[in-house]
Amino acid sequence: AQKVTQAQTEISVVEKEDVTLDCVYETRDTTYYLFWYKQPPSGELVFLIRRNSFDEQNEISGRYSWNFQKSTSSFNFTITASQVVDSAVYFCALSDEDQGAQKLVFGQGTRLTINP
Amino acid sequence: DGGITQSPKYLFRKEGQNVTLSCEQNLNHDAMYWYRQDPGQGLRLIYYSQIVNDFQKGDIAEGYSVSREKKESFPLTVTSAQKNPTAFYLCASKWTGGNTGELFFGEGSRLTVL
Repeated sequence: AQKVTQAQTEISVVEKEDVTLDCVYETRDTTYYLFWYKQPPSGELVFLIRRNSFDEQNEISGRYSWNFQKSTSSFNFTITASQVVDSAVYFCALSDEDQGAQKLVFGQGTRLTINP
Repeated sequence: DGGITQSPKYLFRKEGQNVTLSCEQNLNHDAMYWYRQDPGQGLRLIYYSQIVNDFQKGDIAEGYSVSREKKESFPLTVTSAQKNPTAFYLCASKWTGGNTGELFFGEGSRLTVL
């Protein structure tokens, strides 16, 4: 069965520090997709990135970067020079295709607090 | 603007009552989903639907029911059989063509059972 583990329940750092959110996944599929979502206090999940299993290149988008390592089944997310607006709950997710239906399996989430 | 609208945002219910949460999308997505969020447990899938008039149980379907009579709408009923219904409920939709795309989420409905 698909499984996503985010071992860090809560992280608190001071503004401008770099912070890495860990994500480890389990799957028997050879083709799969990994996602990161941000959930601000408003509640809506905001899509950040999708990565397919054949693309292990790291990706950078502004202060955000993602490190996908198939060998360790990890898809970690780093925020550089964190800001108070980055405070949110972050979810890692894994695609799960069941009889043609596409679903997402989510990790438990990491609550990130950036203190001024 | 295109998006997903969930209502109500907050709902209080007495034990033993059924309650229906609304989810409407104007993104022309075929697939729709209901997730439940509890503290420390992430999001768990309740029901999902790939096309109109068809839906499947997710991991925690017991005590819930859904319908998909229109492409735009996927209401969730929390029945009195659901033993612990207090939670945050999130509706999502997705385009089913092409590669696995991301889910688009509504702002959620918070249900409290008194």
